[in-house]
Amino acid sequence: AQSVTQPDIHITVSEGASLELRCNYSYGATPYLFWYVQSPGQGLQLLLKYFSGDTLVQGIKGFEAEFKRSQSSFNLRKPSVHWSDAAEYFCAVGGEEGGTYKYIFGTGTRLKVLA
Amino acid sequence: NAGVTQTPKFRVLKTGQSMTLLCAQDMNHEYMYWYRQDPGMGLRLIHYSVGEGTTAKGEVPDGYNVSRLKKQNFLLGLESAAPSQTSVYFCASSPADTEAFFGQGTRLTVV
Repeated sequence: AQSVTQPDIHITVSEGASLELRCNYSYGATPYLFWYVQSPGQGLQLLLKYFSGDTLVQGIKGFEAEFKRSQSSFNLRKPSVHWSDAAEYFCAVGGEEGGTYKYIFGTGTRLKVLA
Repeated sequence: NAGVTQTPKFRVLKTGQSMTLLCAQDMNHEYMYWYRQDPGMGLRLIHYSVGEGTTAKGEVPDGYNVSRLKKQNFLLGLESAAPSQTSVYFCASSPADTEAFFGQGTRLTVV
């Protein structure tokens, strides 16, 4: 069965510092991988996605993620965090299970940014 | 483009009351999903649909029913609300093999 693990529940960084949010997945084949961001009281917005090809993918708002098959990881990175990046971040895996396309989400990482 | 629209945005129910949450999408997507979001638990799949007239159970279906009479609409019903159903509910749609598109959520409180 598919599963997604985000080991960090909370992360605090200073504005201007670099950021890495961890995501590990379990899936039998090559999955589709996603990172979403959720600002308070809002829905989920797609940051970036990986389907195939180049393992380093670029997203919106200056975010990037790297797919590492050997480590079953899809970590999200940003070189310099802005105060507006404070939000909750969800990693997700999409793929077929039982003949149906489904998405499985991690439990999220809440990012706090210090001025 | 409206994308995925959920109504209502907020609701307070008394235990035992019923209600229906409406999700509408204008992207002609085949797949639609209902999730609930609870602190520390991420998003959990309640029910989903792979096309008009179809529904299936997800991870946490108990206490909920769904219907998809029209391709663009996916309804989530609570027949007898319980405090454990206090949550934020998200609807999503997808053409499959790509990302899911989410609504803004419905915050439901059951007292």
